[in-house]
Amino acid sequence: AQSVSQHNHHVILSEAASLELGCNYSYGGTVNLFWYVQYPGQHLQLLLKYFSGDPLVKGIKGFEAEFIKSKFSFNLRKPSVQWSDTAEYFCAVNGRGSQGNLIFGKGTKLSVKP
Amino acid sequence: EPEVTQTPSHQVTQMGQEVILRCVPISNHLYFYWYRQILGQKVEFLVSFYNNEISEKSEIFDDQFSVERPDGSNFTLKIRSTKLEDSAMYFCASSEVGQTPYGYTFGSGTRLTVV
Repeated sequence: AQSVSQHNHHVILSEAASLELGCNYSYGGTVNLFWYVQYPGQHLQLLLKYFSGDPLVKGIKGFEAEFIKSKFSFNLRKPSVQWSDTAEYFCAVNGRGSQGNLIFGKGTKLSVKP
Repeated sequence: EPEVTQTPSHQVTQMGQEVILRCVPISNHLYFYWYRQILGQKVEFLVSFYNNEISEKSEIFDDQFSVERPDGSNFTLKIRSTKLEDSAMYFCASSEVGQTPYGYTFGSGTRLTVV
């Protein structure tokens, strides 16, 4: 079955700490991978995406993610978080030719303490 | 920056009532989607719509649900007879091309509360 697993439900960090949010997927075939962020009261926004090429993808606001095919993983990282990064982060996958329908993980809530 | 607009932002309805959730996708987008997120759970795909017909739907999208593009700008989700378990945040999204990850934009969501 197609699925996305996000390992952490809630992560609490202090400002300037490094961040890594785990994401593993189960999907037959070639995939596109995404990280979305949802700030409180706002809509889902695309942080970054991978669909081919360099497996290390850089996104907005200093975020990056690495696609490791052998581990079916697409972990999100940021070297130094800020209070403004407080949000919920969703990993998602779709398959090539799937008409774009996304399968989401449950999300990880990140709280950054000032 | 172009946006997907959803109205209302919050709707409360009684069980058994019909609700219509409205979305205005980005004007040059061709694919339209509805997703929902029950509180504390993952965002789930409901339906995709292209060329005035449903292109794919999930198991959640049963006979109680329908979608429509009544004019050139609106895209609606109708729930005929709401149940308590339909309470969720409903997200509309649109994209230029359905088979690539480009231009996939979400709206702010409508929080539906069924009482």
